[in-house]
Amino acid sequence: SQTIHQWPATLVQPVGSPLSLECTVEGTSNPNLYWYRQAAGRGLQLLFYSVGIGQISSEVPQNLSASRPQDRQFILSSKKLLLSDSGFYLCACNKGGNYGYTFGSGTRLTVV
Amino acid sequence: SQKIEQNSEALNIQEGKTATLTCNYTNYSPAYLQWYRQDPGRGPVFLLLIRENEKEKRKERLKVTFDTTLKQSLFHITASQPADSATYLCALSPGRTGGGNKLTFGTGTQLKVEL
Repeated sequence: SQTIHQWPATLVQPVGSPLSLECTVEGTSNPNLYWYRQAAGRGLQLLFYSVGIGQISSEVPQNLSASRPQDRQFILSSKKLLLSDSGFYLCACNKGGNYGYTFGSGTRLTVV
Repeated sequence: SQKIEQNSEALNIQEGKTATLTCNYTNYSPAYLQWYRQDPGRGPVFLLLIRENEKEKRKERLKVTFDTTLKQSLFHITASQPADSATYLCALSPGRTGGGNKLTFGTGTQLKVEL
């Protein structure tokens, strides 16, 4: 079964600072990879997904970007954080429509 | 636009009773419907997946129904226990392998099982 490693667990960053969150996957190859954000008391919002190395699709125009430099590595970045970027960021993987998602443990980002 | 609705009010039930959670959707024709459990500060955990051509699926104390005519899924936990207390999320996907199999989530229903 798949395992997702996501770090750090919590992060406090000043407005205008850069961001890099990394996610790595074990136990599978060529997975679909996803970045979601969950605001307090809200649902999960899909930010980016990737079906292969170097292939990134953005769901919501925003201050963030994503990259997939290796098959099982997915990175979420920002050059300059905004207050509105605060939230709970979750990385997930999936092997296809017939399977559930596996989520990482998440990163709680607070922009101050 | 696509909309997935789950009861935003928390559901409180007594231990041993059956908990029933509802998921309604509009403007969507999902190939798959999934249910997840999420504990505070943790990532969601996959519970069950049901296909559009299936009416019901069971796994241990869990049962999911899927009515594509009503555009509704019901999620049942029988013989509920305090350890079942969590937020339960409904999610839909189109199932197209070329479309990234993106999941759209509802906002979840918080379940609290009391002694």
